[in-house]
Amino acid sequence: DVKVTQSSRYLVKRTGEKVFLECVQDMDHENMFWYRQDPGLGLRLIYFSYDVKMKEKGDIPEGYSVSREKKERFSLILESASTNQTSMYLCATLGHYGYTFGSGTRLTVV
Amino acid sequence: EDQVTQSPEALRLQEGESSSLNCSYTVSGLRGLFWYRQDPGKGPEFLFTLYSAGEEKEKERLKATLTKKESFLHITAPKPEDSATYLCAFQAAGNKLTFGGGTRVLVKP
Repeated sequence: DVKVTQSSRYLVKRTGEKVFLECVQDMDHENMFWYRQDPGLGLRLIYFSYDVKMKEKGDIPEGYSVSREKKERFSLILESASTNQTSMYLCATLGHYGYTFGSGTRLTVV
Repeated sequence: EDQVTQSPEALRLQEGESSSLNCSYTVSGLRGLFWYRQDPGKGPEFLFTLYSAGEEKEKERLKATLTKKESFLHITAPKPEDSATYLCAFQAAGNKLTFGGGTRVLVKP
């Protein structure tokens, strides 16, 4: 089974902090994605990557950046966290049999 | 603009009471329609992929169908463990998924 591991289940950060959310997959998939999920808004795509060092903006990239230095790791960066970035963050990969999601990181910015 | 809408937003069922969830979409060039189940505090778990109108897939008490404009997830004789949020998503050009808002299903014993 494909494993998508997000390093933290819960995070609490202060406004203005730089925040790193890490995602690691073990199946050599090329495509990786970062979504955020909010009540009433569903899942929205922030960024995705189709290869090492390649990235593309999703639907809501403002306030975020990403890094993909190795194929198995895709990091989401909040350069200066704000309270409106409090959300559930989900990482996913795309393989031959479809998309696999991690368990999510619930981030609270205070 | 491509979009997907799920209804109802929430559904309360008695154990054994069958029902259907709707996912309607407007998209040009549909490459796949996906159904996921999500439990509280967890990531979505893959259920089905449908690729063409008329296709059906089944798994235990769940059956997904697809037409040219919508997909249905039928839950037959549900049990309390079927309580979850069910998400549909489509894949158009490229590899990204666009999600609907989900249907929260609660099955009471």
